[in-house]
Amino acid sequence: AQKITQTQPGMFVQEKEAVTLDCTYDTSDQSYGLFWYKQPSSGEMIFLIYQGSYDEQNATEGRYSLNFQKARKSANLVISASQLGDSAMYFCAMREPGDGQNFVFGPGTRLSVLP
Amino acid sequence: NAGVTQTPKFRVLKTGQSMTLLCAQDMNHEYMYWYRQDPGMGLRLIHYSVGEGTTAKGEVPDGYNVSRLKKQNFLLGLESAAPSQTSVYFCASSYSSVHPDTQYFGPGTRLTVL
Repeated sequence: AQKITQTQPGMFVQEKEAVTLDCTYDTSDQSYGLFWYKQPSSGEMIFLIYQGSYDEQNATEGRYSLNFQKARKSANLVISASQLGDSAMYFCAMREPGDGQNFVFGPGTRLSVLP
Repeated sequence: NAGVTQTPKFRVLKTGQSMTLLCAQDMNHEYMYWYRQDPGMGLRLIHYSVGEGTTAKGEVPDGYNVSRLKKQNFLLGLESAAPSQTSVYFCASSYSSVHPDTQYFGPGTRLTVL
């Protein structure tokens, strides 16, 4: 079964509007971490935001915020005031307890910001 | 601070040839990882290392070998390249397996096997 599901292969958003990228995850552990990465067309993977499973507040980093709903096992990324430079692939990832291999990525969502 | 660097950035191989990809990090991280990314897919873990002198298999280890002789370097080897190994390879490093555990990525190596 998929550990990380991103149901939106592609999304469009108008510049300056907010957009939500969906991510649901599957784990039986109580302690885990959730991450979002951005991959622009240049190819590098850029860390955006982290949410721990025990964090009571939703994580925020500048224009990025994570809408964490633990009971639903969802960790959606919200980008406020979209910019043209936000056009990229976005990957949700999860880290479960254990040795290094317990880090899995979703298939990604391609976001296109329209002028 | 260079972060995570990868050498080379691009490479074209013929089927059956061998090569080594080098990953170096200057952040004193214990954990290092090799991933491959195929078109339209997320990253899949090939091998990883939890410290100098240790390596372990990830999700897709077949056809690859790794070595971690020095803490700052993690090498990925292809002994006999196959077209199925055409991919973009990413190296990453992180401090430990304890939360938070952000992985920092290198720029990637685009490998084509003909």
